[in-house]
Amino acid sequence: NAGVTQTPKFQVLKTGQSMTLQCAQDMNHEYMSWYRQDPGMGLRLIHYSVGAGITDQGEVPNGYNVSRSTTEDFPLRLLSAAPSQTSVYFCASRRGAGYEQYFGPGTRLTVT
Amino acid sequence: GDSVTQMEGPVTLSEEAFLTINCTYTATGYPSLFWYVQYPGEGLQLLLKATKADDKGSNKGFEATYRKETTSFHLEKGSVQVSDSAVYFCALSNKRGGADGLTFGKGTHLIIQP
Repeated sequence: NAGVTQTPKFQVLKTGQSMTLQCAQDMNHEYMSWYRQDPGMGLRLIHYSVGAGITDQGEVPNGYNVSRSTTEDFPLRLLSAAPSQTSVYFCASRRGAGYEQYFGPGTRLTVT
Repeated sequence: GDSVTQMEGPVTLSEEAFLTINCTYTATGYPSLFWYVQYPGEGLQLLLKATKADDKGSNKGFEATYRKETTSFHLEKGSVQVSDSAVYFCALSNKRGGADGLTFGKGTHLIIQP
């Protein structure tokens, strides 16, 4: 199993550009989540999904969209990038509520 | 709502010292508790877990005991190594329908000096 994979590993965007961060898992997990990690802020939940076709907002959803058309994939879209979105983004999946989370390797995004 | 509080550090120790990283939580019901570790430039990895009161999770010489009476899950290791330098996150997960139900502390940066 590859686990949770994320692409790209690094990305630089200009303010106002849009892009999609890709996330895939091959463990048949129902739950998938996107977090951002900023110094001194820990991990903050952006959006999550409890199954294909079901998504919901986390703690910091503004400026991001998600969709979940398959169990395996959970892309995160930045609609119009802003410097405040400079961060490290982690995708994660787990079997269900109460189970441990498996994390991808992260995407380091810089918005200039 | 649920919350996790942990010492933020950085915590600096010498090699072979005893380590304790405190973690306390607030939650309804009976959450599962986890410690995750993040090495430089990598994602988070599960270090250990405990799913009910008085359970002890252990892995790679690290231990933590689920204490419901003090709502704590402190991480300990008897003799740390330079390779243990990382950021450690305490987390809890509540079995609730709908919400993600996973709450992280802000992380403790551990630095081990040779």
